[in-house]
Amino acid sequence: AQSVSQHNHHVILSEAASLELGCNYSYGGTVNLFWYVQYPGQHLQLLLKYFSGDPLVKGIKGFEAEFIKSKFSFNLRKPSVQWSDTAEYFCAVITSGAGSYQLTFGKGTKLSVIP
Amino acid sequence: KAGVTQTPRYLIKTRGQQVTLSCSPISGHRSVSWYQQTPGQGLQFLFEYFSETQRNKGNFPGRFSGRQFSNSRSEMNVSTLELGDSALYLCASGLRGRETQYFGPGTRLLVL
Repeated sequence: AQSVSQHNHHVILSEAASLELGCNYSYGGTVNLFWYVQYPGQHLQLLLKYFSGDPLVKGIKGFEAEFIKSKFSFNLRKPSVQWSDTAEYFCAVITSGAGSYQLTFGKGTKLSVIP
Repeated sequence: KAGVTQTPRYLIKTRGQQVTLSCSPISGHRSVSWYQQTPGQGLQFLFEYFSETQRNKGNFPGRFSGRQFSNSRSEMNVSTLELGDSALYLCASGLRGRETQYFGPGTRLLVL
């Protein structure tokens, strides 16, 4: 079965620091990859996605992620975080089998940005 | 376009009762999936519906069931509630399933 691992449970950064959140997945077939963000008290929102093509994808609010197929990784980056980036970040992969689809999520990484 | 809507937003039930949650997908979306979010287990897939058919089911007991109507709206039912069913239940919709899924605000269920 597919699985998604997020290496950091809780990350604490000061404003303007750079961010990199790790995500690895285990699945041998074709995958669509996502990062979702959940701000406090709000619902899950799509940050960015990768389906095919350029492995470096850009999302909203200055976030980007790089798909490295050989490493089964899809790490999220932001050069300079802001206090408003405080949220929980989820890496997810859609896999398919027998015509059905399922989003498998990592456990999430809580990001706390200190002003 | 209006987003995914879920009703009710909050629910308090007691053990042994049953509950029905509702989800209205984004207009034009035919795939609806349900997820359970808890602090301990994170986000776990419950099931996915497409054109009124359940295409996929996660590893949950038979007390969890769902259905999808011809207008793509979906309902999820949990029978014989247990304390451990307390969670945020999220619904997501997509065009066909493999592409981006968009999430609703969730229904927070508390079982006492």
